[in-house]
Amino acid sequence: NAGVTQTPKFRVLKTGQSMTLLCAQDMNHEYMYWYRQDPGMGLRLIHYSVGEGTTAKGEVPDGYNVSRLKKQNFLLGLESAAPSQTSVYFCASSQGAYNSPLHFGNGTRLTVT
Amino acid sequence: RKEVEQDPGPFNVPEGATVAFNCTYSNSASQSFFWYRQDCRKEPKLLMSVYSSGNEDGRFTAQLNRASQYISLLIRDSKLSDSATYLCVVTFTGTASKLTFGTGTRLQVTL
Repeated sequence: NAGVTQTPKFRVLKTGQSMTLLCAQDMNHEYMYWYRQDPGMGLRLIHYSVGEGTTAKGEVPDGYNVSRLKKQNFLLGLESAAPSQTSVYFCASSQGAYNSPLHFGNGTRLTVT
Repeated sequence: RKEVEQDPGPFNVPEGATVAFNCTYSNSASQSFFWYRQDCRKEPKLLMSVYSSGNEDGRFTAQLNRASQYISLLIRDSKLSDSATYLCVVTFTGTASKLTFGTGTRLQVTL
């Protein structure tokens, strides 16, 4: 049982480049989330999804887009990377909303130069 | 005031010691509370939920104080393997449901 799998684990981008982070979960969870974690800031929610075909903005959505075409996958896109998007990105999933524990992927370390 | 606040630490304690962390929250209507553990350069993992009456899991005890709006985590007989950052999570379910992470408290257990 893999749980939540994120790819890639590391990536270096130049300013203006684009990329997609992939998240897959095999727990049949309805809810999926993308967070970023920066020193001293804690985990901040970028976007989330409450089910297949739905997405919603979180706390820091600017510069990111997401898609949830299949229940098990949640994609995070950066259309034009900026140095301010250098961060560690975590995908998570949960059985229910807010009162259910989150299951996190291993994280993606992104550096934008 | 931040919605969820934690002392960043680090808390340096010898092996075998008892250590406690607090986490304060600002929304009095908050409903669910959790403690997560995050090892260096790893993902957060659920340590335990925090119930109104308090709960214990082995060497770990979690407490909720609604009147003073804080949760606590007590670790007894600290092990070297307890060294990590402990994140508190507070959720509110309402017209604007929200789940908020604290920035974490770092614990270093030494020989």
